[in-house]
Amino acid sequence: GAVVSQHPSWVICKSGTSVKIECRSLDFQATTMFWYRQFPKQSLMLMATSNEGSKATYEQGVEKDKFLINHASLTLSTLTVTSAHPEDSSFYICSARLPRYPETQYFGPGTRLLVL
Amino acid sequence: DAKTTQPNSMESNEEEPVHLPCNHSTISGTDYIHWYRQLPSQGPEYVIHGLTSNVNNRMASLAIAEDRKSSTLILHRATLRDAAVYYCILRGPTGANNLFFGTGTRLTVIP
Repeated sequence: GAVVSQHPSWVICKSGTSVKIECRSLDFQATTMFWYRQFPKQSLMLMATSNEGSKATYEQGVEKDKFLINHASLTLSTLTVTSAHPEDSSFYICSARLPRYPETQYFGPGTRLLVL
Repeated sequence: DAKTTQPNSMESNEEEPVHLPCNHSTISGTDYIHWYRQLPSQGPEYVIHGLTSNVNNRMASLAIAEDRKSSTLILHRATLRDAAVYYCILRGPTGANNLFFGTGTRLTVIP
């Protein structure tokens, strides 16, 4: 089956620092990946759509200069939280689609970020 | 994307069937009905999807009402590992390929 990994699985950082989260499709190529954020006891909120070789598409209200997305290859997308603040503490989850079966998304295990 | 309505929570005894309902009265003719579930502290997992006909796979069955305004996810024998939040999501066939998650139904399985 399609496997998506994320690294790191959890990270603690100081306020003002930047954190990079990687999302990899392990056994397939993904031209499109998605980044979600989930606060405690809430549902997933789509942040942006990551397109290989082009700029990401951000959802309304998501600051593109704060959440930098790079999709440099068909198996890797990265999300960098710049100048992180405690309110950025959340569970960040990526997903990818199989090109042949675009109706299904495969999710990574998530990255828990805690900003002190 | 059309809106879905699900109960906030449900309980089931272990090894009994579970029927998780979803209302989607504003569904359009081309919207697919998708179900994902999210186990604690994990990313969501695809469960099943359908358009008009009932669907079965190794994880679950999906029963779709004739008017398509509601659907039911059926777990034939609940196990403790099925305890999760179940999301019912509508998606068009083309264009927007992202998923908009509602609040879902938190399923508790009682041993």
